[in-house]
Amino acid sequence: GENVEQHPSTLSVQEGDSAVIKCTYSDSASNYFPWYKQELGKRPQLIIDIRSNVGEKKDQRIAVTLNKTAKHFSLHITETQPEDSAVYFCAATADTGRRALTFGSGTRLQVQP
Amino acid sequence: NAGVTQTPKFQVLKTGQSMTLQCAQDMNHNSMYWYRQDPGMGLRLIYYSASEGTTDKGEVPNGYNVSRLNKREFSLRLESAAPSQTSVYFCASSYSGNTIYFGEGSWLTVV
Repeated sequence: GENVEQHPSTLSVQEGDSAVIKCTYSDSASNYFPWYKQELGKRPQLIIDIRSNVGEKKDQRIAVTLNKTAKHFSLHITETQPEDSAVYFCAATADTGRRALTFGSGTRLQVQP
Repeated sequence: NAGVTQTPKFQVLKTGQSMTLQCAQDMNHNSMYWYRQDPGMGLRLIYYSASEGTTDKGEVPNGYNVSRLNKREFSLRLESAAPSQTSVYFCASSYSGNTIYFGEGSWLTVV
C-alpha cells in the first residue's frame, strides 16, 4: 500500500517568513495530493490539493508543488502569520473513490510574532 | 447543511466494554471513512466504505467492526474496548475523486 513520509515534524518560523513542508510517497499510482490544516482540538480541513496532471498550484499565500518523477510534493506558505500556527498533514491516494487517503505524520508549525 | 456529524463527542469506557460510534453525512457522498488519530502518528485509516453495501479494511482494523447502514450512515463498533484504543476518532466522507470532509471527532478514553 501507499506510504507517505512528512518532514519536518516541527517547524518554527518568524512572522513574515516562509515555511516549507515536504512529503514523499511510495505508490507511483497515486494521483491526488491534498494538504490539511488542523488547529488544536479541531477537525482537519483541506487547504489546498493538487492532481498529478499539474506541477504547481497556488492559492494566495499557499502553494503546492509536485514532482511525480521523484515522488515528492511540498507545501509552501509565504508571509506567515500567527494564525497559520497549526498541524499540517499531507496525504496521497490513487483514487479517493476506491482508496482512502494515506496521511503523513504531520508537521507542527509555530509562527512566532 | 451539517456536513459530517459524528456522535458521541466524548466517551469514557472501561476495558472490555463495547460501544458504537455513529456517523452521518448529508452531502450525498458515496464514500465514507473512519480514521483514528494518535499523537505524533497522523491519521490512520481503520475502515472505509467506497459505496453503499461495501466495506474494506484500512491500515489498523483490528478490534473494530463497521456497518454501512445506508448511503448516509457509517458506524464504527468496538466490541471489547482496550486501552490501546484510546484515541480521537474521525469519520469522513467524499464524493469519488473529490475532497474528503471530516467530522468534528470523537474523543474516546478506555480505562
